[in-house]
Amino acid sequence: KQEVTQIPAALSVPEGENLVLNCSFTDSAIYNLQWFRQDPGKGLTSLLLIQSSQREQTSGRLNASLDKSSGRSTLYIAASQPGDSATYLCAVTFNDYKLSFGAGTTVTVRA
Amino acid sequence: GAVVSQHPSWVICKSGTSVKIECRSLDFQATTMFWYRQFPKQSLMLMATSNEGSKATYEQGVEKDKFLINHASLTLSTLTVTSAHPEDSSFYICSAIPLDSYNEQFFGPGTRLTVL
Repeated sequence: KQEVTQIPAALSVPEGENLVLNCSFTDSAIYNLQWFRQDPGKGLTSLLLIQSSQREQTSGRLNASLDKSSGRSTLYIAASQPGDSATYLCAVTFNDYKLSFGAGTTVTVRA
Repeated sequence: GAVVSQHPSWVICKSGTSVKIECRSLDFQATTMFWYRQFPKQSLMLMATSNEGSKATYEQGVEKDKFLINHASLTLSTLTVTSAHPEDSSFYICSAIPLDSYNEQFFGPGTRLTVL
């Protein structure tokens, strides 16, 4: 069974600092990996999707890397803003399309 | 693009009643949709895979007679919680995969169910 772990569980930083969120998974035979953002009481917003053949994806201040062999992905958020405060979830999928989620990292950016 | 809606956004019902939740892909077609539930401060748990025109596939431990899923068209899946009890109170979220995507899932805003 695929297990997805996210460290740390919570993170608090001052505005402007760069954020580094870690995700690890036990089975490297993934199809893709997706990073999501969830605000309290809301659904999920897809941030980045990395195919298994890719090493990274970038969107604005966000950059996600993928190292399949070591079972790791890292989400970098540059120059954090209070609006970045949310829970960030990573999830992996195999060719059956099912997503296995980590427990998330709750980020607080202090103004 | 790739917008998924859910209706209702929240619902309160009495124990023993049934509640239907709709999941719609607004600007794309999806043969596959998924239903998740999320407890407070926990991650999402996959309940079932909904396939258009066929029976849903339920995850282990999910009662198919309690959580009825119908995927009647390429843009609509419904989840009916039958004979709801307080322990069914949860946040239910659906997702959908566009036909032309690399299996990227797009999520609805969720439905908060409270059973009294």
